[in-house]
Amino acid sequence: EAGVVQSPRYKIIEKKQPVAFWCNPISGHNTLYWYRQNLGQGPELLIRYENEEAVDDSQLPKDRFSAERLKGVDSTLKIQPAELGDSAVYLCASGYHYEQYFGPGTRLTVT
Amino acid sequence: AQSVTQLGSHVSVSEGALVLLRCNYSSSVPPYLFWYVQYPNQGLQLLLKYTSAATLVKGINGFEAEFKKSETSFHLTKPSAHMSDAAEYFCAVSDGGSQGNLIFGKGTKLSVKP
Repeated sequence: EAGVVQSPRYKIIEKKQPVAFWCNPISGHNTLYWYRQNLGQGPELLIRYENEEAVDDSQLPKDRFSAERLKGVDSTLKIQPAELGDSAVYLCASGYHYEQYFGPGTRLTVT
Repeated sequence: AQSVTQLGSHVSVSEGALVLLRCNYSSSVPPYLFWYVQYPNQGLQLLLKYTSAATLVKGINGFEAEFKKSETSFHLTKPSAHMSDAAEYFCAVSDGGSQGNLIFGKGTKLSVKP
């Protein structure tokens, strides 16, 4: 069984530039999560999807972050414009019941 | 509100020694508790979970954890450390039972000395 796939694995951009991250969850998992993990910290939830619906986006900074999950499968997280403080690892996870399975993450560096 | 506190940001043990990573939680509902491991440049991998069944939970790679409601603790143990156990470990609590979001602790980095 294939795991959660994320791309790119690494991204370096200048501040004020846009960036997008892509996630393909485990087949059959209806729940999809985006987390941000700052250096030396645990992951923090940005947004949670149930199928196509964003059921919890209370922690998503909506002035610059956006996300979509078309057809309830793949998802894209976008930042526009990026700020220095956005440097972090962005993790995607898919879930079944109460278990979450994480992808390898995208390490974003904003210079 | 749910929260998790992991005591000790760094733990160092010798190979073959007991591993003990501490986790205390706060939850307003019966908790669902998890331990995840993260190797460098990788995502998080589920080690074990507590979902209100047996209080002693066995996971992968020889790890286990005991749920103690009176102490609001869910400490992770392994009888004998291997070099391959060196990684970062995260304790997490669900904020809404089986359908909730995970609230993670800040993590404990485990080093294993030869």
